[in-house]
Amino acid sequence: DGGITQSPKYLFRKEGQNVTLSCEQNLNHDAMYWYRQDPGQGLRLIYYSQIVNDFQKGDIAEGYSVSREKKESFPLTVTSAQKNPTAFYLCASSTGTLQQTQYFGPGTRLLVL
Amino acid sequence: GIQVEQSPPDLILQEGANSTLRCNFSDSVNNLQWFHQNPWGQLINLFYIPSGTKQNGRLSATTVATERYSLLYISSSQTTDSGVYFCAAANQAGTALIFGKGTTLSVSS
Repeated sequence: DGGITQSPKYLFRKEGQNVTLSCEQNLNHDAMYWYRQDPGQGLRLIYYSQIVNDFQKGDIAEGYSVSREKKESFPLTVTSAQKNPTAFYLCASSTGTLQQTQYFGPGTRLLVL
Repeated sequence: GIQVEQSPPDLILQEGANSTLRCNFSDSVNNLQWFHQNPWGQLINLFYIPSGTKQNGRLSATTVATERYSLLYISSSQTTDSGVYFCAAANQAGTALIFGKGTTLSVSS
């Protein structure tokens, strides 16, 4: 089955710790995105990548980092610099630029201990 | 940047009722999408509709780009339609899809 997988489903972070969220797609999509969703809110873009080895900051990139070494994978690291990391993180992909239909993974819930 | 506003924020329906959700945007768009987020958080793309009308089963959507709004129609609602419906838009100058805050729909049997 083609789709987007995210792992883990739940993640707990201790103060001062970096954690990495996984996102993999087998849709052969060029573009991938990371969004953050807070309770009762819409999604906000953290980072996006339109091609391997290239990525751009979204609206709320501070405290996050990404890499795009393979077309299928776009991991997100939540660093200790992100002071309020508790949120629901969603990964998406599309065939091309932002002007395309986006498909989402099931999400990762990050909680700070 | 572009602003997206959705209404109503909450909607409660009996099974079988029809509903209309609205999305207003502040600038011309070349990307307008409707999504449904189920109670487990999964987002499903419903429509890619920067202009015109589309239908998929009991759901249909219309975007009037010149008047800067889009409507999502749900007919004969079912309990499985419950969840949050998001509208997201981008213009040609934008680098991101901007999401509205969503409409939370609850359908009871």
